[in-house]
Amino acid sequence: EVQLVESGGGLVQPGGSLRLSCAASGFTFGSYWMNWVRQAPGKGLEWVANVKQDESEKHYVASVKGRFTISRDNAKNTLYLQMNSLRAEDTAVYYCARTMITLTKFASDVWGQGTMVSVSS
Amino acid sequence: DIVVTQSPDSLAVSLGERATINCKSSQSVLSSSNNKDYVAWYQQKPGQPPKLLVYWASTRESGVPDRFSGSGSGTDFTLTISSLQAEDVAVYYCHQYYTIPWTFGQGTKVGIK
Repeated sequence: EVQLVESGGGLVQPGGSLRLSCAASGFTFGSYWMNWVRQAPGKGLEWVANVKQDESEKHYVASVKGRFTISRDNAKNTLYLQMNSLRAEDTAVYYCARTMITLTKFASDVWGQGTMVSVSS
Repeated sequence: DIVVTQSPDSLAVSLGERATINCKSSQSVLSSSNNKDYVAWYQQKPGQPPKLLVYWASTRESGVPDRFSGSGSGTDFTLTISSLQAEDVAVYYCHQYYTIPWTFGQGTKVGIK
């Protein structure tokens, strides 16, 4: 079964750090772009960052540049998001999602269940 | 950044009737290299992650019922549910992945009248 499972969320004080993980199974992890997308409580979806298969390309939304770092370990089938200098507005459910890019498909088609990050004093 | 705007914010439709959600991007998301529009539609039910329905504006994801269809090109797109079922109650998001940063519309909540 194709699956993504996030972990590492929790309550952290403003200015603190957290590292999220996303464990992939059921597919060849190293063949896909991977993303983090977040959703603040009661709000819509916001794309946060993505990373190419070999980490040669990484992209971020402006609001997290310089604070968040996306990375991956293809040997461990795991995606990471290192979050530093956290702010209240980073409070959200964080989803990881894979993006399939082929000649016949370009879509983020598999999503994890999400992990909640709360930034509060 | 490309701004994606959906309308309406919410709608209520009778069971078996048609539901139509509109999506407008602030600039074209049509690629000249492959003539594809980089728009996807997602369905999200409470407490669940988003589920992919349509990509490249009109290609239905495998396993998605054929009552869901996407259309449009350039800057204007539509998701149509041809005959609303009770299990279609959800929030629907339009998403452009043509340009970084990828962006989503604000969502449209679909309910039963």
